[in-house]
Amino acid sequence: AQKITQTQPGMFVQEKEAVTLDCTYDTSDQSYGLFWYKQPSSGEMIFLIYQGSYDEQNATEGRYSLNFQKARKSANLVISASQLGDSAMYFCAMRESNFGNEKLTFGTGTRLTIIP
Amino acid sequence: DSGVTQTPKHLITATGQRVTLRCSPRSGDLSVYWYQQSLDQGLQFLIQYYNGEERAKGNILERFSAQQFPDLHSELNLSSLELGDSALYFCASSVYSGEAYEQYFGPGTRLTVT
Repeated sequence: AQKITQTQPGMFVQEKEAVTLDCTYDTSDQSYGLFWYKQPSSGEMIFLIYQGSYDEQNATEGRYSLNFQKARKSANLVISASQLGDSAMYFCAMRESNFGNEKLTFGTGTRLTIIP
Repeated sequence: DSGVTQTPKHLITATGQRVTLRCSPRSGDLSVYWYQQSLDQGLQFLIQYYNGEERAKGNILERFSAQQFPDLHSELNLSSLELGDSALYFCASSVYSGEAYEQYFGPGTRLTVT
């Protein structure tokens, strides 16, 4: 069974600093995908970034980048130049794919607070 | 705005009752997923439909059922409600291509069982 571990329940970061949110995963699948979602206090889930297991380069989307280390089974999210609006819960998730059954398994999340 | 719509936004009901949550996927998306987010269980996958057919089941209780209609909207039916069913229920949709893709989430329906 797949498992996602986020070991940081909460983080406080000064505005404009970079922040790394940790995510490790466990799977026996050769093909898988890793996602990061942001959940602000309003409750919606916002897709941030995706990394496929066969992607050779780390994914980037604006200020978000994914530090993918396959051998260590880690997929850390890096947010550069943090902003007050980055304060939210962040979830790491893994796509389990089995003949079109594409469910996501989520970690427990990290609550990020940006300090002005 | 993800393009996925969910109604209602909030729902308050009593134990033992039955409710129906509705989801409209993004235009063109054939897959619909239902997730439950509760304080004690976190975010859990419930069920997936693809073009009207059930594709995958997660930790979905027997009291819960879902379906996807020909116009691709989906409904999640929760019956014999218990206090522990209080949660945020998300619907997500995606275009299935067999390769990299992302699931787009709706705003959620917050269910409170009293």
